[in-house]
Amino acid sequence: RKEVEQDPGPFNVPEGATVAFNCTYSNSASQSFFWYRQDCRKEPKLLMSVYSSGNEDGRFTAQLNRASQYISLLIRDSKLSDSATYLCVVNDNAGNMLTFGGGTRLMVKP
Amino acid sequence: DGGITQSPKYLFRKEGQNVTLSCEQNLNHDAMYWYRQDPGQGLRLIYYSQIVNDFQKGDIAEGYSVSREKKESFPLTVTSAQKNPTAFYLCASEDQIAIYGYTFGSGTRLTVV
Repeated sequence: RKEVEQDPGPFNVPEGATVAFNCTYSNSASQSFFWYRQDCRKEPKLLMSVYSSGNEDGRFTAQLNRASQYISLLIRDSKLSDSATYLCVVNDNAGNMLTFGGGTRLMVKP
Repeated sequence: DGGITQSPKYLFRKEGQNVTLSCEQNLNHDAMYWYRQDPGQGLRLIYYSQIVNDFQKGDIAEGYSVSREKKESFPLTVTSAQKNPTAFYLCASEDQIAIYGYTFGSGTRLTVV
């Protein structure tokens, strides 16, 4: 089983739609969780950290479910500029490395 | 402005040639990482260093070498032993390990010609 698993997509949604991605992780002791955004042929950029209580940044909401070992990212009112690959990132067994999921591709259409 | 700089942006390698990719950061970060990304694929860890003069192999270290003589610099050499080096190479650094996330450089796209 992969340490961090994501649905690769693509998720094709119209502008203005709400879309959600889930990511499952295998290490129950993981403490740090992040969502990164990667545009085509660019480097990944930190979108948001994921806290136990959940957190929101504008149209983006991240949540953590420790019992089921998954994190989610919700994007409301999708914009064309949200089209990208979203990477789920979790710290590893030893707590000193980050493990990246394979990414979920989102395509927002006019 | 603090950041992490990779050079060159594009690099072409002939068969049997060694090439070195540069990664420099002025963020005063202790930890630095090298990843490889193939088209449509996730990131795979090549090497990492959590302190000067020390580095560890990642998941796909064969055919690569690194050094960490200075805190700011973590160059990656792609040797002739790496049989399929064409990929997008990303360098990252981190202040406190696994707490705040990584900062990535803009990457080097290596192509074998």
